Amino acid sequence: GNSVTQMEGPVTLSEEAFLTINCTYTATGYPSLFWYVQYPGEGLQLLLKATKADDKGSNKGFEATYRKETTSFHLEKGSVQVSDSAVYFCALYTGGFKTIFGAGTRLFVKA
Amino acid sequence: DTEVTQTPKHLVMGMTNKKSLKCEQHMGHRAMYWYKQKAKKPPELMFVYSYEKLSINESVPSRFSPECPNSSLLNLHLHALQPEDSALYLCASSQEGRGGANTGELFFGEGSRLTVL
Repeated sequence: GNSVTQMEGPVTLSEEAFLTINCTYTATGYPSLFWYVQYPGEGLQLLLKATKADDKGSNKGFEATYRKETTSFHLEKGSVQVSDSAVYFCALYTGGFKTIFGAGTRLFVKA
Repeated sequence: DTEVTQTPKHLVMGMTNKKSLKCEQHMGHRAMYWYKQKAKKPPELMFVYSYEKLSINESVPSRFSPECPNSSLLNLHLHALQPEDSALYLCASSQEGRGGANTGELFFGEGSRLTVL
């Protein structure tokens, strides 16, 4: 079946550090891939997406590239800020209204 | 600002109460969802409505009763809940793409935090 595996958190970084959150997936067919972010006390927001192999999604300084050969969609940011502290969910969608979410990775950024 | 609005933001209810959660979107989306999220966990799908018809019920107990009065509104009626039902309830919507295909991109509300005493 379809699944998403994310690196376990929490991840603690100092401001301006480089961020990588690993995400790998298993899917039949050709999934669309997403990163959602959940700030404290809020719902999830779409951060970025990619719908086919080699697509790069980007938003707010975050990037992720859809790598079919390694079934990965790692999230990166060159310089994190305190305001990036949140929980990040990797997700895939292959149709039928069902999105498969990873377990989530909590990020803490220290000033 | 989120374009999916949920009310109330917080709800405390006893096990014998009847209450409702409400969700509204005005993006013209034709698929609407209820998710349940426990602390430090990803959202779990409960129900999906597509074009105002119930498409998916993920074997949710009957004490949760969804309703979609029109394409912009989604309700979740709650009755005789248990303390373990305490969670954040998230409403989401998604846009139908060309040919009726769902793009998979979900637009979430901020959630209703439910506490069952």
